Amino acid sequence: EAGVAQSPRYKIIEKRQSVAFWCNPISGHATLYWYQQILGQGPKLLIQFQNNGVVDDSQLPKDRFSAERLKGVDSTLKIQPAKLEDSAVYLCASSSAGGPGNTIYFGEGSWLTVV
Amino acid sequence: AQKVTQAQTEISVVEKEDVTLDCVYETRDTTYYLFWYKQPPSGELVFLIRRNSFDEQNEISGRYSWNFQKSTSSFNFTITASQVVDSAVYFCALTGDSQGNLIFGKGTKLSVKP
Repeated sequence: EAGVAQSPRYKIIEKRQSVAFWCNPISGHATLYWYQQILGQGPKLLIQFQNNGVVDDSQLPKDRFSAERLKGVDSTLKIQPAKLEDSAVYLCASSSAGGPGNTIYFGEGSWLTVV
Repeated sequence: AQKVTQAQTEISVVEKEDVTLDCVYETRDTTYYLFWYKQPPSGELVFLIRRNSFDEQNEISGRYSWNFQKSTSSFNFTITASQVVDSAVYFCALTGDSQGNLIFGKGTKLSVKP
């Protein structure tokens, strides 16, 4: 079974530029997450989708970050304009359902460096 | 509020040594779930185990074992006879009734030297 796919794996951009990351979850998984992991820290949730609806985006910096999952399958996370502090790994994850006991499976991440 | 504390930032051992990674959690939820993930240098978080709050049985999977103690709010992870391939950052995480997403600790970096 294919895992969570993400692209690009690595991206270097200048501050104030924009960037987009793409994620394809495990087939059949209704719930999709975007996490941000800053170096030396644990991942932090940015946004959670259930099918194509947003369940939780309370920690998403909405002035610069946006995410969509239009057809309830793959998703795109965009940052515009980027700041230096956005340098991090952006991890996409999915689970079969959104409840607290469901195992969440992660992709390899998209590594962003803002210079 | 929910919180996960991994007090050990880095651990270094020599191959074949046993090593225990500590995890202490805080939650007000009656039902909650604890997880361990492994993050090798490639970056992917690899799921290792899930435990619910009503199951305090210890679990063993090959060289890995987990000790869950509600009385001390701990969920420790032991690797027996460590190998170089065990080198990674290990994260403990928590979800509960009040939220479905994972709350992570800061991770413990394990280095196993040959």
